[in-house]
Amino acid sequence: AQTVTQSQPEMSVQEAETVTLSCTYDTSESDYYLFWYKQPPSRQMILVIRQEAYKQQNATENRFSVNFQKAAKSFSLKISDSQLGDAAMYFCAYRSQASGGGADGLTFGKGTHLIIQP
Amino acid sequence: DVKVTQSSRYLVKRTGEKVFLECVQDMDHENMFWYRQDPGLGLRLIYFSYDVKMKEKGDIPEGYSVSREKKERFSLILESASTNQTSMYLCASSLRRLAQFFGPGTRLTVL
Repeated sequence: AQTVTQSQPEMSVQEAETVTLSCTYDTSESDYYLFWYKQPPSRQMILVIRQEAYKQQNATENRFSVNFQKAAKSFSLKISDSQLGDAAMYFCAYRSQASGGGADGLTFGKGTHLIIQP
Repeated sequence: DVKVTQSSRYLVKRTGEKVFLECVQDMDHENMFWYRQDPGLGLRLIYFSYDVKMKEKGDIPEGYSVSREKKERFSLILESASTNQTSMYLCASSLRRLAQFFGPGTRLTVL
C-alpha cells in the first residue's frame, strides 16, 4: 500500500515571502499521480496543483509550483509571494495509475497547517 | 465549474440511529468517493463508486455502506451510528482518472 508523509504539521511564513511544504511518498509503482489540495478554514477542499509521474517537467500554477523528485519520492509545494488567503491546511495526495480495489481513491498525507503572518 | 454538494453541513445523531449522508455532483462524473477526515489522520477513503450501482470498498469501509442509484448522487449510510463515527465526511467526484473535486463536508456528531 502507498503511504504519504507530510513531516511539517505546521509552517509559518511572512506575507510576500516564499514557503515550501514537504511531501514524501512510498510506492512500488512507476506510474501515478500526485496532487496538492488546499483546505481553507471554510473546509472546502480545493485542488492546487497536479503532477503526473511520467512527466519530468515540474507543474506550475501561477504562484504555486512543485519540485517533483521521482527517484527520491519527493513532491514539495512552493508558494511564492505568500498572501493572507493562502492560509489553510495543505494536503499532499497520491493516486495510483492502476484501477480497482480502491486504487482510484486518493491516499492523503496528514496535512500541513500553513500560517501567513501579516 | 464542478459543483459537489452535500445535504448537510452539520448533523447530530444518537448512537444506534441510521444515518444518511447525501452527495450530489452536477458534472456527469463517473467516479464518486466518500472520505472521512479526522485531526491528525488526514483523509481516509471509505467507499467509492465508478458507475451507477457499482461500489468498491476503500481503506475503512467497516460500519458504512453506500448507494448509487443515479449517476449524480452517492449516499453514505451508517446503519447504526456509533460515537467513533463522529467525524467530518467529505464527498468527491472525478471524471475518469482526472483530479477529484470535493464537496464542503458534513460534520457529523454521534452522541
